[in-house]
Amino acid sequence: SQTIHQWPATLVQPVGSPLSLECTVEGTSNPNLYWYRQAAGRGLQLLFYSVGIGQISSEVPQNLSASRPQDRQFILSSKKLLLSDSGFYLCAWSHGGGYGYTFGSGTRLTVV
Amino acid sequence: GQQLNQSPQSMFIQEGEDVSMNCTSSSIFNTWLWYKQDPGEGPVLLIALYKAGELTSNGRLTAQFGITRKDSFLNISASIPSDVGIYFCAGHFDAQLTFGKGTKLSVIP
Repeated sequence: SQTIHQWPATLVQPVGSPLSLECTVEGTSNPNLYWYRQAAGRGLQLLFYSVGIGQISSEVPQNLSASRPQDRQFILSSKKLLLSDSGFYLCAWSHGGGYGYTFGSGTRLTVV
Repeated sequence: GQQLNQSPQSMFIQEGEDVSMNCTSSSIFNTWLWYKQDPGEGPVLLIALYKAGELTSNGRLTAQFGITRKDSFLNISASIPSDVGIYFCAGHFDAQLTFGKGTKLSVIP
């Protein structure tokens, strides 16, 4: 069966520090991968998605970036965090079509 | 892009009551999905609907794919405390999944 792993679960980082959040999927190949941000426990904002290795589409211009160095690995990064980067970050995968996304358990990022 | 209007934004109900929430759009979708997010967790798929008019149940949950393909509702019968969380609708069309802004459900014991 397919599983998605996301870490760390929580992270407290000072303003101006770098960020690296990692997401991996097991039990499938060539998944579509997504990074979402959720502020204040409400709506899901799509940040990046990837349909293949090295292919990244950005939905929202900001100081975050994403990379997909391997088929089942998706990384969210920042060189210098801002206070406004605080939030709940969710990774998800799908095989396209209408079968929905499977989400990871999320990373709670607090920038102080 | 496509947008979904999900209502209500939040609900406070007594344990045992039934719950109803819905999503509407000006655009058509090929698939409607309903997710539940427990506090501090990622959303989990509850029900998927693939055909206009389809009515599907999952335990105390019932969801329908509107006949116009522009709306869907989710009903929860006899609510219990563990039903608390945020419920998201999502519509799929043309390789893109669009999420509603969520309905936050609170259940008063």
